[in-house]
Amino acid sequence: SAVISQKPSRDICQRGTSLTIQCQVDSQVTMMFWYRQQPGQSLTLIATANQGSEATYESGFVIDKFPISRPNLTFSTLTVSNMSPEDSSIYLCSVVAGVSGEQYFGPGTRLTVT
Amino acid sequence: GQNIDQPTEMTATEGAIVQINCTYQTSGFNGLFWYQQHAGEAPTFLSYNVLDGLEEKGRFSSFLSRSKGYSYLLLKELQMKDSASYLCVRNQGGKLIFGQGTELSVKP
Repeated sequence: SAVISQKPSRDICQRGTSLTIQCQVDSQVTMMFWYRQQPGQSLTLIATANQGSEATYESGFVIDKFPISRPNLTFSTLTVSNMSPEDSSIYLCSVVAGVSGEQYFGPGTRLTVT
Repeated sequence: GQNIDQPTEMTATEGAIVQINCTYQTSGFNGLFWYQQHAGEAPTFLSYNVLDGLEEKGRFSSFLSRSKGYSYLLLKELQMKDSASYLCVRNQGGKLIFGQGTELSVKP
């Protein structure tokens, strides 16, 4: 397993601003993922972040809106840019850390955009 | 959630057994996870099935039939703390595809 922390745990932001979310893992991992969970819904993958290469974005998500950094094997950031109320959501990072390839999730960042 | 179907909600009694069913699209299938998510918390890993059959882990068991595109999660001796959302998750080439989740309410 892996222990994952995220900062901030929650934030309230104004429309048009940007927020950077940090994800720290207690061990080196190759693959890290960023998910969004909108109110009352399940998780949707935003992008896969691998160290040493550009992030791979899923359909409906673009780098200009959600730039990602992956400077080393234990850390990643996701920025939510030019925020609107529709970006209000929980953002979670995860890593593949189990023998079965299971993913372990950080505690999430609860973002509210006003 | 991308061709994964599971009931939206279920209710069961403390001490009872409940089975949560999940059907999924079989193309590009590499395995099936079940995750538990309590309100306001991150999902936690419960089980992973790659081959057909039943995997038992304490009070929780998970079953897979690859030919039928079908899985279920079986929870025995239900406890109040089992009230949560249970997510059926398909592994598609290392990418996780989440179902909408089944909200389980355990009543006394």
